[in-house]
Amino acid sequence: DSGVTQTPKHLITATGQRVTLRCSPRSGDLSVYWYQQSLDQGLQFLIQYYNGEERAKGNILERFSAQQFPDLHSELNLSSLELGDSALYFCASSVGMGETQYFGPGTRLLVL
Amino acid sequence: AQTVTQSQPEMSVQEAETVTLSCTYDTSESDYYLFWYKQPPSRQMILVIRQEAYKQQNATENRFSVNFQKAAKSFSLKISDSQLGDAAMYFCAYKKMGGGADGLTFGKGTHLIIQP
Repeated sequence: DSGVTQTPKHLITATGQRVTLRCSPRSGDLSVYWYQQSLDQGLQFLIQYYNGEERAKGNILERFSAQQFPDLHSELNLSSLELGDSALYFCASSVGMGETQYFGPGTRLLVL
Repeated sequence: AQTVTQSQPEMSVQEAETVTLSCTYDTSESDYYLFWYKQPPSRQMILVIRQEAYKQQNATENRFSVNFQKAAKSFSLKISDSQLGDAAMYFCAYKKMGGGADGLTFGKGTHLIIQP
């Protein structure tokens, strides 16, 4: 158990819908990262927050957004969902911005 | 942009034997981190080992060790005394050090099969 929690574990929804994925980092970690793992794209970095502020963006679509709250938990919002958004979404956390990232168990999203 | 290449989609090894997984990367940075993560069938991403580019000594963690060749931009993982529980996907990952924030850049992974 890495200490990073993610909810829900599984999510099934329809095209065009909006969903919110939640992540709680390890105690003491200030950085939260979001990643997407799909069969065709592999593991891709989406976005990073540090102590409530956005610090880096990767291959995140405009339909996706995220935020980190004062208690340091983070949410990833996915809207206007398409079939291709079906993937495993991971959250990872680290103490600062350069340290080792520890991954949560992931949220498996299926868009039908 | 940084890239990470794992040229072996799948490797197979007999239990108790030694196996080496390959990884090469491309970067213009001089300071960075390299990682190996393991993803078993549960899909959990588990850190195996980490190497800082400024350290000449190769990292080791019990049965896991790396061969870090900075000039060649090579970062291989050696697993000694392979066990059935080592069966998983293994991902090599890169992260630049210092400066601005950034996420991990992953290779496509190597599927390791352990033959009993």
